[in-house]
Amino acid sequence: NAGVTQTPKFQVLKTGQSMTLQCAQDMNHEYMSWYRQDPGMGLRLIHYSVGAGITDQGEVPNGYNVSRSTTEDFPLRLLSAAPSQTSVYFCASSYSWGSYNSPLHFGNGTRLTVT
Amino acid sequence: GDSVTQMEGPVTLSEEAFLTINCTYTATGYPSLFWYVQYPGEGLQLLLKATKADDKGSNKGFEATYRKETTSFHLEKGSVQVSDSAVYFCASKTSYDKVIFGPGTSLSVIP
Repeated sequence: NAGVTQTPKFQVLKTGQSMTLQCAQDMNHEYMSWYRQDPGMGLRLIHYSVGAGITDQGEVPNGYNVSRSTTEDFPLRLLSAAPSQTSVYFCASSYSWGSYNSPLHFGNGTRLTVT
Repeated sequence: GDSVTQMEGPVTLSEEAFLTINCTYTATGYPSLFWYVQYPGEGLQLLLKATKADDKGSNKGFEATYRKETTSFHLEKGSVQVSDSAVYFCASKTSYDKVIFGPGTSLSVIP
């Protein structure tokens, strides 16, 4: 059981370039989300989805786009990379978005550097 | 708005020492509370959880009790090991499923 799979593991971009961070889960989870992790700031929610075709903004959505065409996949797009987007990105999913109890399952992260 | 506060550390302990990492929360309503652990180079993993007041979550020798009166969820372990070195995150979750994370506490355990 693979769980949550993120690719790539590392990426270096130049300012202005675009790219897509991939996230896939094989647990049939309804809820998927993207976080960024920065030193001293914990994890901040970028975008989330409660099911296929439904997405919403989190705390820090600017500069990022998402889509959810299938239950399994939730890619994160950087349209025009900026140095402020240098961070570690985590995808996370959970079984039932409305449940108090279901914890998040995390991927291993993508370390992105924008020069 | 909702928030989670925890001691940021870093915390350095000798093996077999007692560990406490403090966590307090503010929330509208009654959140579920979680502790996640992040080992170097990995994503976060659920360590333990509690869903209502006075619940005690436990796993791998770690414990935390949901204290509604003090809005706290402190993490404790009686005897830490080198393998417990990691970053620990306290988190709260409301019915809107937006999980709020604390800033994380880095723990180093030395032999």
